[in-house]
Amino acid sequence: AQSVTQLGSHVSVSEGALVLLRCNYSSSVPPYLFWYVQYPNQGLQLLLKYTTGATLVKGINGFEAEFKKSETSFHLTKPSAHMSDAAEYFCAVSHRGYNKLIFGAGTRLAVHP
Amino acid sequence: SAVISQKPSRDICQRGTSLTIQCQVDSQVTMMFWYRQQPGQSLTLIATANQGSEATYESGFVIDKFPISRPNLTFSTLTVSNMSPEDSSIYLCSVVGVEETQYFGPGTRLLVL
Repeated sequence: AQSVTQLGSHVSVSEGALVLLRCNYSSSVPPYLFWYVQYPNQGLQLLLKYTTGATLVKGINGFEAEFKKSETSFHLTKPSAHMSDAAEYFCAVSHRGYNKLIFGAGTRLAVHP
Repeated sequence: SAVISQKPSRDICQRGTSLTIQCQVDSQVTMMFWYRQQPGQSLTLIATANQGSEATYESGFVIDKFPISRPNLTFSTLTVSNMSPEDSSIYLCSVVGVEETQYFGPGTRLLVL
């Protein structure tokens, strides 16, 4: 069975500081990994994904994530936080041929001046 | 990615009534899903909407409570039946695009009084 653990339900950073949101997964088959962002009163928007190939993936809005198989991790980073990054972030796992997404509990990112 | 719309965007309903939520996609898609996001929680898959056949429900969700229709490859409805305050949630539809990536609609925010 697959599962996702997001460490830290709330993360607070200063504007301009590094953003690091942690995601660890469990999967018995090669995973597909996703990060989604949910702004207040909106649906989910895909930030980035890893399926195969390069383990460092770049997404929208300056975010990137690195798939580390040995650590079963897919942490999301951004070098410099912006006020507009304040949102809920969800990590999710699937695998080839499965289609269903298993979501983590989410991390709410707050950015303060 | 596909453009997905949902109607209504939000609603306030009385307990014991039913609400039908529509999901429209601007292109034909094979896989379509319905999710529930309870207040402050992550997303939980309700069911897979199958075109031309009965939906496939996840554990804990039943057809009598959440009947789903999928008459064609661009449209689906989810009905929340005999509602109670515990049904207050955001309901989202999603479709599967390339590399088995899911894209989400904007969600329907339901409050049951």
